[in-house]
Amino acid sequence: DTAVSQTPKYLVTQMGNDKSIKCEQNLGHDTMYWYKQDSKKFLKIMFSYNNKELIINETVPNRFSPKSPDKAHLNLHINSLELGDSAVYFCASSQKGANVLTFGAGSRLTVL
Amino acid sequence: QKEVEQDPGPLSVPEGAIVSLNCTYSNSAFQYFMWYRQYSRKGPELLMYTYSSGNKEDGRFTAQVDKSSKYISLFIRDSQPSDSATYLCAMMGGGATNKLIFGTGTLLAVQP
Repeated sequence: DTAVSQTPKYLVTQMGNDKSIKCEQNLGHDTMYWYKQDSKKFLKIMFSYNNKELIINETVPNRFSPKSPDKAHLNLHINSLELGDSAVYFCASSQKGANVLTFGAGSRLTVL
Repeated sequence: QKEVEQDPGPLSVPEGAIVSLNCTYSNSAFQYFMWYRQYSRKGPELLMYTYSSGNKEDGRFTAQVDKSSKYISLFIRDSQPSDSATYLCAMMGGGATNKLIFGTGTLLAVQP
């Protein structure tokens, strides 16, 4: 049973489109995250939610909007996609206050 | 200057070699230090976790933290081709809103 699952795994789209990535965890964790990994493998946090409440919001363009309907789900919606948004987006989860994150397999977004 | 610096490699070693991977950091508030391993097209998975300074050993893997020098290391003994992956150091301070900051990752190839 997959602990942190993301869909879709691959996403190819045109500039200017809007797309969403979904994430679900079945670990009973309270905190969920979105990370972006660029082509050089640099992994940078974007958002963190604890029990549906936003607790970390990095300097991410407001075209990116996370949504957490419940503590097991964290979705990422991206408006007006740009070429620079091409990356692998990782969802992760942890117990509240814990330092150990469990990552999903990633969603590879390609913007043409 | 990035908060966490890591040589991206690639690092190529023969099977059975001892591998040394390193990170330096600038934020003296970091207390928790981790190494994640990421296979190609997969999410990062936790390999080693250390709190504050000292050594920790787990099988063929040893993690070292030297807070006075702001330097952490991961040693892999008797390296195997299955160890071929990207190794990411990660660290954070205390507090619920503290973020896990990653290094850029070192790509390791163990040649049979």
